[in-house]
Amino acid sequence: DGGITQSPKYLFRKEGQNVTLSCEQNLNHDAMYWYRQDPGQGLRLIYYSQIVNDFQKGDIAEGYSVSREKKESFPLTVTSAQKNPTAFYLCASSMGGGGQPQHFGDGTRLSIL
Amino acid sequence: AQKVTQAQTEISVVEKEDVTLDCVYETRDTTYYLFWYKQPPSGELVFLIRRNSFDEQNEISGRYSWNFQKSTSSFNFTITASQVVDSAVYFCALFPDRGSTLGRLYFGRGTQLTVWP
Repeated sequence: DGGITQSPKYLFRKEGQNVTLSCEQNLNHDAMYWYRQDPGQGLRLIYYSQIVNDFQKGDIAEGYSVSREKKESFPLTVTSAQKNPTAFYLCASSMGGGGQPQHFGDGTRLSIL
Repeated sequence: AQKVTQAQTEISVVEKEDVTLDCVYETRDTTYYLFWYKQPPSGELVFLIRRNSFDEQNEISGRYSWNFQKSTSSFNFTITASQVVDSAVYFCALFPDRGSTLGRLYFGRGTQLTVWP
């Protein structure tokens, strides 16, 4: 079945540590997105990418980094510079342009140890 | 500026009641799309509907209906005869279409709907 796979489902980070969240899609979508969700905050855009080897900052990119070396993959690294990383992270993909619906993964819940 | 406002943070109803979730948007773009997504307790967002700015026809899908009014910049969502399985967070979102492939969604903060048996 086609879809978006996020892993791991739960992740714990120690102080000063970088962690990487995985996002893979087999929908042949061009565009991919990373969102952060905090209680009562809705979804806030971290980074998005329309094509391989290109990506744009969203509204809250500080303390995060991404890469887009393959069309299917868009990993998100939460760096030690992100002082409040505890949140629910959602990855999405879409055909790109024209308001195509975004399809979402099941999310990764990141917590601080 | 692009903005989506969902003024209702939480709504509680009893099963079989009708409920309307409000969504008001702001944009200066003439071409845009509006979306509703459902987030059940499991966490993933499920796409419900997309509307473009030139199509103001209301839409009905089973117990769900959507009322798009450009005059009031609103895109409200009504669930008729609500069920416990409708309990979720519902998000309204805006996609300004500037004719390129580079685009993004702007989400409201969501409305938590709880349907009691």
